[in-house]
Amino acid sequence: DTAVSQTPKYLVTQMGNDKSIKCEQNLGHDTMYWYKQDSKKFLKIMFSYNNKELIINETVPNRFSPKSPDKAHLNLHINSLELGDSAVYFCASSQDHGSYNEQFFGPGTRLTVL
Amino acid sequence: AQSVTQPDIHITVSEGASLELRCNYSYGATPYLFWYVQSPGQGLQLLLKYFSGDTLVQGIKGFEAEFKRSQSSFNLRKPSVHWSDAAEYFCAVGAQGGSEKLVFGKGTKLTVNP
Repeated sequence: DTAVSQTPKYLVTQMGNDKSIKCEQNLGHDTMYWYKQDSKKFLKIMFSYNNKELIINETVPNRFSPKSPDKAHLNLHINSLELGDSAVYFCASSQDHGSYNEQFFGPGTRLTVL
Repeated sequence: AQSVTQPDIHITVSEGASLELRCNYSYGATPYLFWYVQSPGQGLQLLLKYFSGDTLVQGIKGFEAEFKRSQSSFNLRKPSVHWSDAAEYFCAVGAQGGSEKLVFGKGTKLTVNP
């Protein structure tokens, strides 16, 4: 009965590869997010989608492409992985895109680029 | 744009002692303020939030926080810390309108000694 789930939990890959992280929420929320948490635990928003539409796109390299096939899913595809992409990536969801909403976080995906 | 500062990177307290974690924000109007907790290897969980009204807010797990407009602060407190409170704590600020994103502080790591 996980509210926000992510797969995989761990991802180890070589530089230059392409990888995807999947996220699903069963809370019936309209808005989903991707965050990146670096090695110093700093958490920064990357993207947010509301009802499958992109509403926040922070300064993120074009190698990162989010895709929302429906409002319960938000996947993150990363092309040409670089060492600096190593981090923990969190998916989150909220009722709608107002910043007053509680955000529900997934368990995270630890990406290691070798 | 809003910003948030958590001045303490790491705090150590003894079990049963009181706790105060500091958070200062920068925003032109009344912000939305949140405290989230991240246990090791987990995603973030909301402890409490402030939007308006009573400046002392109660949260889960016995935590409370006080909004002080004059000091631009939203400090988190707990009267008696339990070993299970050891975690990373994040303060976050959301703006009313605008980009609707949450900005997180860099976190405070809490260690609890037996």
